[in-house]
Amino acid sequence: DSGVTQTPKHLITATGQRVTLRCSPRSGDLSVYWYQQSLDQGLQFLIQYYNGEERAKGNILERFSAQQFPDLHSELNLSSLELGDSALYFCASSIGPDTQYFGPGTRLTVL
Amino acid sequence: GIQVEQSPPDLILQEGANSTLRCNFSDSVNNLQWFHQNPWGQLINLFYIPSGTKQNGRLSATTVATERYSLLYISSSQTTDSGVYFCAVVGTGGFKTIFGAGTRLFVKA
Repeated sequence: DSGVTQTPKHLITATGQRVTLRCSPRSGDLSVYWYQQSLDQGLQFLIQYYNGEERAKGNILERFSAQQFPDLHSELNLSSLELGDSALYFCASSIGPDTQYFGPGTRLTVL
Repeated sequence: GIQVEQSPPDLILQEGANSTLRCNFSDSVNNLQWFHQNPWGQLINLFYIPSGTKQNGRLSATTVATERYSLLYISSSQTTDSGVYFCAVVGTGGFKTIFGAGTRLFVKA
């Protein structure tokens, strides 16, 4: 157990819908990262927050947004969902710019 | 942006064999990690190793930053070592984490 929690574990929804994925980092970790893992794109970095502020942005679509709250948990919002958004979404956390600890992931299926 | 290449893409081993996985990166990095994704999808960090050598049980890793590569050694492989091994880097001057495509390892009993 990495200490990073993600909810829900599984999510099935329809095209055009909006969902929110939640991540709680390890106690004391200030950085939160979001990744998307799909069969054709591999593991893609989406976005990083550090102590509530956006630090780096990767291949995140405009339909996606994220935030980190004062208690350091983070949410990833995915809207206007398309079939191609079906993937495993991981959250990771770290104290600083070193070892990242990954949560168990949320498997999103868009039908 | 920085490119990360891992080799080999696939590897099949007999239990007890040793193996070396390679990660090449195209630019200077200030962060390099090795991860194992088990067959259930869980990503487990193995090493944080932007330079130098580290060992943890049957696993060890070496990063030669000046030559832009890292190696992961697995000795006396076990069936539980099966899964995908990823190398991930963060380039100097940035914060984006870039993953390689991974090496898929299958260890036969």
